Amino acid sequence: EAGVTQFPSHSVIEKGQTVTLRCDPISGHDNLYWYRRVMGKEIKFLLHFVKESKQDESGMPNNRFLAERTGGTYSTLKVQPAELEDSGVYFCASSQGGGIVGYEQYFGPGTRLTVT
Amino acid sequence: DQQVKQNSPSLSVQEGRISILNCDYTNSMFDYFLWYKKYPAEGPTFLISISSIKDKNEDGRFTVFLNKSAKHLSLHIVPSQPGDSAVYFCAASADGNQFYFGTGTSLTVIP
Repeated sequence: EAGVTQFPSHSVIEKGQTVTLRCDPISGHDNLYWYRRVMGKEIKFLLHFVKESKQDESGMPNNRFLAERTGGTYSTLKVQPAELEDSGVYFCASSQGGGIVGYEQYFGPGTRLTVT
Repeated sequence: DQQVKQNSPSLSVQEGRISILNCDYTNSMFDYFLWYKKYPAEGPTFLISISSIKDKNEDGRFTVFLNKSAKHLSLHIVPSQPGDSAVYFCAASADGNQFYFGTGTSLTVIP
């Protein structure tokens, strides 16, 4: 079974530019999450999709970040315009579902974003 | 304010001995807990989970203990192997969806 995949693995952009990150979850996982880790600190929640619907976007830093999951399959996270503080590693994770069974989240390898 | 804390940034253990990684949390609503292992330049790899209805969960060499009254969980690895050297994160959630992570503990297993 294929794991969570993310593209690109690295992205270097200039301040003010736009970047789009992509995540393909594990097949059959309705729940998809985005997280970010900045400068070796803790991994922070950004948002949660159930199929194509945003369940919780309380962790999104500001309106420069836009996440979509059209058709309930892969998801994209767009940063526009990018700022220096957006640099970090963006992780995507997926799970079968919240609750006692199936809440374990499986992470992708991450996209390292550097804004210069 | 961090709701999940891993107060030991690093830990060194001899091969074959027990590794004990600790994690404390502040939110009494947390009911779901995960441990992840992370190698450099890779994503976190799920290791083991526990929900609040249990106080112990075991999977091979890995055992997680949960003490809800103390808001503390720990991961025991026995026997430790050099391949276990990695950064370990604990994570906690109230709803099984939004997880709060600690800052990680770097484990080095010395051959």
